Amino acid sequence: QSVVTQPPSASGTLGQTVTISCSGSKSDIGSNTVNWYQQLPGTAPRLLTYSKNQRPSGFPDRFSGSKSGTSASLAISGLQPDDEADYYCAAWDDSLNAVIFGGGTKLTVL
Amino acid sequence: EVQLMESGGGFVQPGRSLRLSCAASGFTFDDFAMHWVRQSPGKGPEWVARITWNSGTLSYADSVRGRFTISRDNARNSLYLQMNSLRPEDTAFYYCVRAYSGSYFDFWGRGTLVTVSS
Repeated sequence: QSVVTQPPSASGTLGQTVTISCSGSKSDIGSNTVNWYQQLPGTAPRLLTYSKNQRPSGFPDRFSGSKSGTSASLAISGLQPDDEADYYCAAWDDSLNAVIFGGGTKLTVL
Repeated sequence: EVQLMESGGGFVQPGRSLRLSCAASGFTFDDFAMHWVRQSPGKGPEWVARITWNSGTLSYADSVRGRFTISRDNARNSLYLQMNSLRPEDTAFYYCVRAYSGSYFDFWGRGTLVTVSS
């Protein structure tokens, strides 16, 4: 059973940089692209970063995704109040033939 | 503008069936694989199923395999999820999602709520 692990919570002050980690295995993060999604309260998740640190239009370069081996991370610089949200990493798992989401990290801006 | 609009959710008793629909617009529907992703209240998203552009490949999460069937009608720009033998743990918002390059979910619908309870 593949499990992708994220810290349940993270926090930072205005203007600070916060990093959210995402730990997987060889069959998911280790073999495939990691994508990040942002979910604001009461809304559907939306794509935040994809492929090799690409961002959809509308998201500034304050959001940066990276990957090394079987782990990935999302860095958010210049924290703003609107960044308060839940963040999820996701990757295809070759052994399960399924998309695996991390458990999510709730970001609080202090 | 890409739009995905789910419908068909509701309240259903355990063991019963429900069929979800997703109406797609604003893009060439048969150029894209489509997925269903669900999210139970207070939980993270859970991938449910995938269908390639021509329905040639169908994939399911272990939790729904054998009970749920994903399908599409490219002529109607529509995606479906037939859910049988529903269980209380299937209670969730169900999202219709477009997959770009079969890799990432670039557009999500607003979701439709399915509640399974006696």
